[in-house]
Amino acid sequence: GDSVTQMEGPVTLSEEAFLTINCTYTATGYPSLFWYVQYPGEGLQLLLKATKADDKGSNKGFEATYRKETTSFHLEKGSVQVSDSAVYFCALTLSGSARQLTFGSGTQLTVLP
Amino acid sequence: DAGVTQSPTHLIKTRGQQVTLRCSPKSGHDTVSWYQQALGQGPQFIFQYYEEEERQRGNFPDRFSGHQFPNYSSELNVNALLLGDSALYLCASSPKGVSYNEQFFGPGTRLTVL
Repeated sequence: GDSVTQMEGPVTLSEEAFLTINCTYTATGYPSLFWYVQYPGEGLQLLLKATKADDKGSNKGFEATYRKETTSFHLEKGSVQVSDSAVYFCALTLSGSARQLTFGSGTQLTVLP
Repeated sequence: DAGVTQSPTHLIKTRGQQVTLRCSPKSGHDTVSWYQQALGQGPQFIFQYYEEEERQRGNFPDRFSGHQFPNYSSELNVNALLLGDSALYLCASSPKGVSYNEQFFGPGTRLTVL
């Protein structure tokens, strides 16, 4: 079945450090890919998305590129802030499906001042 | 414009009881999905409702059931609660006619089963 694998966490960085959170996927069709962020005590917020191969999603300084050849969608940010501390989830949904999202297990990011 | 809203925020039940959780989708959205998020895990898809019908279901037992009303709001019902049902229950809504399947999540209902 479809699945998403995220790098194991937690990740702890100093402010202004470079961030990479790895995400790979397995899907039977051509998925759309998403990164969601969850702040403490809150629901999920969509951070960025990409709907086809080679698309780059970006938002709030975060970027991820849909790589079909490596089935990856790694999240990057050049300079993290304390306010970026949260749990990040990679997810996919298949085109033409009933919009069911399949999530990875999440990566806890802590940014220290 | 209000986003997705859920009620109640928190709920404590005992084993064997039944619970109903409620969700109001974002304005203009017609599809509601429910997810269960256990502590430290990613959300797991329970089911999805569209036009008052269950359109797709994840790997959850029949103890989990739902309903969608004509105004697109939805309920999640869980019968015969087990300790393992303790989780954050998330509702997500999707806009009409969007091809890339974006979902907007509510803040969730934290269910504790004792």
